[in-house]
Order: sequence, then C-alpha cells, then structure tokens
Amino acid sequence: EAGVTQFPSHSVIEKGQTVTLRCDPISGHDNLYWYRRVMGKEIKFLLHFVKESKQDESGMPNNRFLAERTGGTYSTLKVQPAELEDSGVYFCASSQGDRGNEQFFGPGTRLTVL
Amino acid sequence: DAKTTQPPSMDCAEGRAANLPCNHSTISGNEYVYWYRQIHSQGPQYIIHGLKNNETNEMASLIITEDRKSSTLILPHATLRDTAVYYCIVRHQAGTALIFGKGTTLSVSS
Repeated sequence: EAGVTQFPSHSVIEKGQTVTLRCDPISGHDNLYWYRRVMGKEIKFLLHFVKESKQDESGMPNNRFLAERTGGTYSTLKVQPAELEDSGVYFCASSQGDRGNEQFFGPGTRLTVL
Repeated sequence: DAKTTQPPSMDCAEGRAANLPCNHSTISGNEYVYWYRQIHSQGPQYIIHGLKNNETNEMASLIITEDRKSSTLILPHATLRDTAVYYCIVRHQAGTALIFGKGTTLSVSS
C-alpha cells in the first residue's frame, strides 16, 4: 500500500510568488491534515479535511493560504503571495475514518522563500 | 487538550532500553496519550497510544501511571536508527489534530 505522498519535495521561490503544494493521502483515508514546521519552531497544525469538507482550519495563519480537497482525494495548499516567514517544511497526514488513531505522515515539502 | 512536559534530550547506548518520560498532569479522563517520533528530515511517525492500561506493540511499550499524570515510552533495545525526536501528545479523541510540543531528542550511540 502506498503511503502519503507530497509534491514537490523542495520548492524555492521568490517573495511575492505563488506556490502550490500537493498531498496525496493513503487511498480510502477520509481525514487529511496539513501541518508545518517553520525554522526553530514546533510542528504546527494548519487544517483538517474530512473528505472534501474543511473540518477545522483554525491553524491557517492568514488568508494568503488556501487549501482545497476537491472530490475528497488529493489536497492542495496554495500560498499566494509567499512571504519570507512562510519558509519551512509542510507536512500532510491522513487517517482512516472515525478510528483515525494513527495519522500517517508524508515526507514533507521543504519550502524556501527568498 | 492537556499540555505535556518532556526532557529536551536524552542519551542511550545501543542495545539498551530507552525510557522516555512524559508528564501530563492536567490530562482529563477521556484523553489519550500518543507517542510519535520524527527521524531527521522525515515526516512524524506514529509509535503507540494508550488511555489507562499499559500498551505494547512491535515498536515500543507505553507505561501509564495509575493516576494518568505521567507516562513512559520504552524502546526495549534501542538501535542507532531510533535516534529521533520523540513527541508525547495528549489528545481528546481520534480524528482531531495533533498538537506537537518540543519533544525529547533521543540520541542512541554505539
């Protein structure tokens, strides 16, 4: 069974540009989460989808971040326009249904904003 | 969700048991204790979780005190590949976000 995959693995962009990160959860997993770790800080929750609906987006830092999960499969996280403080590693995780005890994490996307 | 307190770092010799403590004195009755770890540059990895009883799986054992105010993760025979940051997380229910703290950096050496 394939794990959670994320694309790209690395992205380097200029301040003010737009970047879109993609996450493919494990097939059949209804729950999809986005987290991020910025330099020197702890891993922070961004938002949680259940299928295609946003269950909790309390961690989204501001309106420059837009997450979608059309059709309840893969998800995208768009940052527009990117700022220097957005640099960090963005992780996606998925879990199955109500059990959801174990969140499976992807390898992360390392975003560098110059 | 209740807060947790972990030592910032620990060392362990290869082949010995690694015992990682976690304090969660404000845990409520329906909150679970979860352990995850992050090996350098990888995504966090689930290890084990429990409510009241001690738990064991192929990776580790989880010992929760009777009053549930603290717990210990035990890696019975640590290897170099167990070097990682270990996170103790108290969580109200499945299907909710994980709240990561600073964790404990475990260094296993030969």
